[in-house]
Amino acid sequence: QSALTQPRSVSGSLGQSVTISCTGTSRDVGGYDYVSWYQQHPGRAPKLMIYDVSKWASGVPDRFSGSKSGNTASLTISGLQAEDEADYYCYSYAGSFSWVFGGGTKLTVL
Amino acid sequence: EVLLVESGGGLVQPGGSLRLSCAASGFTFSNYNMNWVRQAPGKGLEWISFISGHSITYAESVKGRFTISRDNAKNSLYLQMNNVRVEDTAVYYCARDYIWNVDYWGQGTLVTVSS
Repeated sequence: QSALTQPRSVSGSLGQSVTISCTGTSRDVGGYDYVSWYQQHPGRAPKLMIYDVSKWASGVPDRFSGSKSGNTASLTISGLQAEDEADYYCYSYAGSFSWVFGGGTKLTVL
Repeated sequence: EVLLVESGGGLVQPGGSLRLSCAASGFTFSNYNMNWVRQAPGKGLEWISFISGHSITYAESVKGRFTISRDNAKNSLYLQMNNVRVEDTAVYYCARDYIWNVDYWGQGTLVTVSS
């Protein structure tokens, strides 16, 4: 299956909010509430931030929030901090024990 | 503490074979489904394989060439890579499934396919 569609890059100033979208189809994002979001800093393994569309992983600040409408999931980061600068990936169950990632979004904190 | 430690990466020629391993600790390995995920240099993440107690699946990009397996007695996950291609060059991550999400990742092992 094709990768989910994410913007290649987003940016925001310290303290502001940004939203990263993740668009799929009814066979993946739209069909299941199993969408998760991962943060990846350069040279590091990904880290789970949000799972099941909107649940916080352990230790993740509530500045991070997830939502879904139709075939599009979104990750919103409020009160941007310098350490939020990273790559972000969405991930969705796509049925029949298969999964698909988004192409990734590079977040720049200005 | 959940730990996943991959090993077995390295340089392999096109058409060759390699076996990756993932040693798990800090949780009851047999109770969890597992995945392999890879990331080509400078590229995004790609799910490539899943294993549960009764199901095994692969992404189309590796189907017929890669084989996932596990040994619950050894708390280990494996990926046998055969007939590798240049485009298989990537960091390979072992990843624990948590109800259709991935909650823990290993640090990754680099596989380079080149002549």
